[in-house]
This record gives sequence, structure tokens and C-alpha cells, in this order.
Amino acid sequence: DQQVKQNSPSLSVQEGRISILNCDYTNSMFDYFLWYKKYPAEGPTFLISISSIKDKNEDGRFTVFLNKSAKHLSLHIVPSQPGDSAVYFCAASEYNFNKFYFGSGTKLNVKP
Amino acid sequence: EAQVTQNPRYLITVTGKKLTVTCSQNMNHEYMSWYRQDPGLGLRQIYYSMNVEVTDKGDVPEGYKVSRKEKRNFPLILESPSPNQTSLYFCASLSTDTQYFGPGTRLTVL
Repeated sequence: DQQVKQNSPSLSVQEGRISILNCDYTNSMFDYFLWYKKYPAEGPTFLISISSIKDKNEDGRFTVFLNKSAKHLSLHIVPSQPGDSAVYFCAASEYNFNKFYFGSGTKLNVKP
Repeated sequence: EAQVTQNPRYLITVTGKKLTVTCSQNMNHEYMSWYRQDPGLGLRQIYYSMNVEVTDKGDVPEGYKVSRKEKRNFPLILESPSPNQTSLYFCASLSTDTQYFGPGTRLTVL
């Protein structure tokens, strides 16, 4: 059973608007959460992360929110740009960074 | 340039023919890992290595072997590939809390 879930396989957003990608997890031992972006024919690239001691982390247009009580995190992209069109994976790890668990991905399409 | 390289990028083989996918990183990272990506399942961790001569199972280790004889290399070995190992494979190395991924190896087992 997947411990990290992304229930939306795809999302379509107009350029300039906000993109919100969601992720749920089941393991309360997860201590660190990451978002990766993946273009076709390339490996995933790191986007942003958040530790369980925080509820928000911001980096430019990207903000990750963590709601530990709901075991839910989200990635906000504002404003969305066509170059943001990619598959986004959320991932989680316990404090020791031994194992990483990934969601199934959400394909974001930003329309010009 | 900091990078993780994998070879080959594409491979078609037949059931039972042993194969090795190589992975190398030039960032002096201690931690390396292998994943497979399948539709609807995302990335699943196969094996990881915390350092030279230290390896451990991920979520889906069955049918795979790894070795870590030197820090920069972490080959993935399929002793007897089967069709259910047809997948896209990624190698990664870890710096502090961020994983750097290779470009992927698309493996087809007939």
C-alpha cells in the first residue's frame, strides 16, 4: 500500500494563475517532505522541501504547505508559467533519510 | 559539472539474460539509491547504499542486486530478468537532504 499518495493524475491551469498540487501521506514517522519536477526523458529534479517542524516553506514562485494533523502537503506555484508544465512528484522520508517514498505524480499543464 | 550518469539509457533484452545498469556520480556523495518508475505507481525504491560496502533493501528489491565497492559507482544487477522488470530505472545520489537523479534507463525485457 502506497504511503504517499497524489490523487490527482493531472491538472490544467491558465498561465499566470495559481497551481495547487496536493499530496497525502499515511506514515506519521515521516519527517521530511520534498517535491520534484520531471520533464519527459529526464530524471526528476529537486524543487523544494519542508521539514516536519515547519508548516510552510517558500522559494520564489514555489511554496510548500504542510498540515501534519491532516497528513497533507501541497505545492503552490504562483504565477504559473508554461515552462512549469511537467510531472510533479511528492516524496517523504523519515529523519534518517534512508528510505524515500514517492507519490504517483501529477501532470501539470500550464496553458499560455 | 555535478551529475549522475547512467548507462545504458535504453536496453532491450530477453528473459533470463543477466544485465548490469551502471550508475556513477561525481559529487562525492555517500548515499546512492536505485528506483524504478511505473505508470500509476510513481518511483519505488529498489536498493540504497549509505556508504561503500553498505547496502540495504528499499521497497521493491526482489529480483535485483547491487554492489558498492567504491563511492562513485553503484551498479544495478538483474541476474535473471523477467518481463515484470520492464520499467524506467533511475539512479540517485543524496547530498544532505536533496537527491540528484540520473537521466534514466528504459529497460524492456521480452
